[in-house]
Amino acid sequence: DAKTTQPTSMDCAEGRAANLPCNHSTISGNEYVYWYRQIHSQGPQYIIHGLKNNETNEMASLIITEDRKSSTLILPHATLRDTAVYYCIVRGLTGANSKLTFGKGITLSVRP
Amino acid sequence: DTEVTQTPKHLVMGMTNKKSLKCEQHMGHRAMYWYKQKAKKPPELMFVYSYEKLSINESVPSRFSPECPNSSLLNLHLHALQPEDSALYLCASSQPRGRFYEQYFGPGTRLTVT
Repeated sequence: DAKTTQPTSMDCAEGRAANLPCNHSTISGNEYVYWYRQIHSQGPQYIIHGLKNNETNEMASLIITEDRKSSTLILPHATLRDTAVYYCIVRGLTGANSKLTFGKGITLSVRP
Repeated sequence: DTEVTQTPKHLVMGMTNKKSLKCEQHMGHRAMYWYKQKAKKPPELMFVYSYEKLSINESVPSRFSPECPNSSLLNLHLHALQPEDSALYLCASSQPRGRFYEQYFGPGTRLTVT
């Protein structure tokens, strides 16, 4: 079972920041938060991951709360090509806990 | 090269046919994966190979038979499938362990069983 909960959908205007929330209240100390996205008719694409510190790369920023029970993926300037299903995944690094278990994800629609 | 390729892109097969899906990567990854994705559902893990050995089988029916002939190739052999096996089959690869460990996915093979 997925260890995360996400809203079903959200939308944002092109050029604005998209903030995608995720709850993972049962996360263990050695588990990471990963984000993938899946654009229609494509395979999932890795975006970013973090343990407890905030992370930023060329695609997005990941903000993890101090208690690690929730996080937010931020796309700073959303474009139409960012329309996709975004999956928040909690995983460890070894054994059965290291599997990528996809939940239902959140569908982000970027409007012109 | 960060690409995972899958062939064919589309496959239609009857319930008595035998077919194979192919996946290839040249990133030096030593873990490869098969996922199944039904329409409007998230991907579900089927198999994991690590160093060319099957390490995880998620209780997949035997009509799906994976094979990893070398570190770059992953096959999924299909036999006597049912219409409910129609789905998008995704292949992925990654380093098998370690701190930085993202999976790279191919575009998938869309399978229709008639």
